[in-house]
Amino acid sequence: GENVEQHPSTLSVQEGDSAVIKCTYSDSASNYFPWYKQELGKRPQLIIDIRSNVGEKKDQRIAVTLNKTAKHFSLHITETQPEDSAVYFCAASNPAGTALIFGKGTTLSVSS
Amino acid sequence: DTAVSQTPKYLVTQMGNDKSIKCEQNLGHDTMYWYKQDSKKFLKIMFSYNNKELIINETVPNRFSPKSPDKAHLNLHINSLELGDSAVYFCASSRDSNTEAFFGQGTRLTVV
Repeated sequence: GENVEQHPSTLSVQEGDSAVIKCTYSDSASNYFPWYKQELGKRPQLIIDIRSNVGEKKDQRIAVTLNKTAKHFSLHITETQPEDSAVYFCAASNPAGTALIFGKGTTLSVSS
Repeated sequence: DTAVSQTPKYLVTQMGNDKSIKCEQNLGHDTMYWYKQDSKKFLKIMFSYNNKELIINETVPNRFSPKSPDKAHLNLHINSLELGDSAVYFCASSRDSNTEAFFGQGTRLTVV
């Protein structure tokens, strides 16, 4: 089945710096790649997603890139702010189209 | 209006007991899921239902039994609770696995 690897597990940056989180997936048939943000004690919420027919997508300070050949995708956050501090999860739809498989999460800490 | 709601939010129980967690979505989605989030924050798929039919059962002990009385509800019943079952359980729903999944607020289960 699909396997999603996510790195790094923790990331500390200064306010205003950029943060990059990387994920790889195992099955080339996967075609949907969302990113979720989970604040402490809250539910995961979608922040951006990308489909396999697109290489890059931006939404204000957040961007996601996808390299289908290499089977990896990345989340880029620019001009980080303390409120960006949270756990970020990448995910990939499994080829059977029955579930989202999540990476193990990255704890991002933004210090002011 | 809460899109995906699950109850209870907190559940503390003794080993060996049987408990249920309820989940309801008002988004008209066909697909619902149960995820388990352990102390290391890993979000692991447990079950996936499409239109009331089970489509994924990811190596979950048979003490866990999901039930979907209709496509808006997916309840989770757990028999003979064990210490290792302590975790946060999230219900989620989506139109299909290639679109955004909306999560409930989570149920923190503590087995003592």
